Amino acid sequence: AQTVTQSQPEMSVQEAETVTLSCTYDTSESDYYLFWYKQPPSRQMILVIRQEAYKQQNATENRFSVNFQKAAKSFSLKISDSQLGDAAMYFCAYRGGETSGSRLTFGEGTQLTVNP
Amino acid sequence: NAGVTQTPKFRVLKTGQSMTLLCAQDMNHEYMYWYRQDPGMGLRLIHYSVGEGTTAKGEVPDGYNVSRLKKQNFLLGLESAAPSQTSVYFCASSYPPGNSPLHFGNGTRLTVT
Repeated sequence: AQTVTQSQPEMSVQEAETVTLSCTYDTSESDYYLFWYKQPPSRQMILVIRQEAYKQQNATENRFSVNFQKAAKSFSLKISDSQLGDAAMYFCAYRGGETSGSRLTFGEGTQLTVNP
Repeated sequence: NAGVTQTPKFRVLKTGQSMTLLCAQDMNHEYMYWYRQDPGMGLRLIHYSVGEGTTAKGEVPDGYNVSRLKKQNFLLGLESAAPSQTSVYFCASSYPPGNSPLHFGNGTRLTVT
């Protein structure tokens, strides 16, 4: 079974600074997808960024980018120019192939605090 | 644009009572999922469905049942609620293949006393 590990239960960053959230995963599949979701206090789950394992280029969405290291099974999220609205719980997630129902497996989450 | 709608938003049950959580999506998604979220444990998959009339067990299925009689609806049932089922429940749906993101409902907070 696939597992996803986020080793940082809490992180903090100063407004306008950069922060990196770590994520590692374990899988025997060769074709899979990785995601970062954000959950603000409203409880809503919001997609931040996604990465296909077959793509070598790291995904970028505005201030959010990933460092995908397939051999190391690592998928970290970098937030640049942090804003107060970035404060939330962040979940890393793995999605396998259709033989597993394309289910999403989540890490434990990292609570990000942004200090003014 | 309703997306994924969960009802109810909150519920309090006594131990041993039963209830059904309803999830409805209007995006014609094939895949639907039920997760529970507990502090420090992320979201864990309870059951899922890859199409109308199909269901499968996830990571933590014990104490729950599901049905997918219509493509747009995915029901989660608790036959005899236990305090360990106190949690926030999320429904999600998606298209295949895997790079399609899951679209989540806003969650149901369930307390079992």
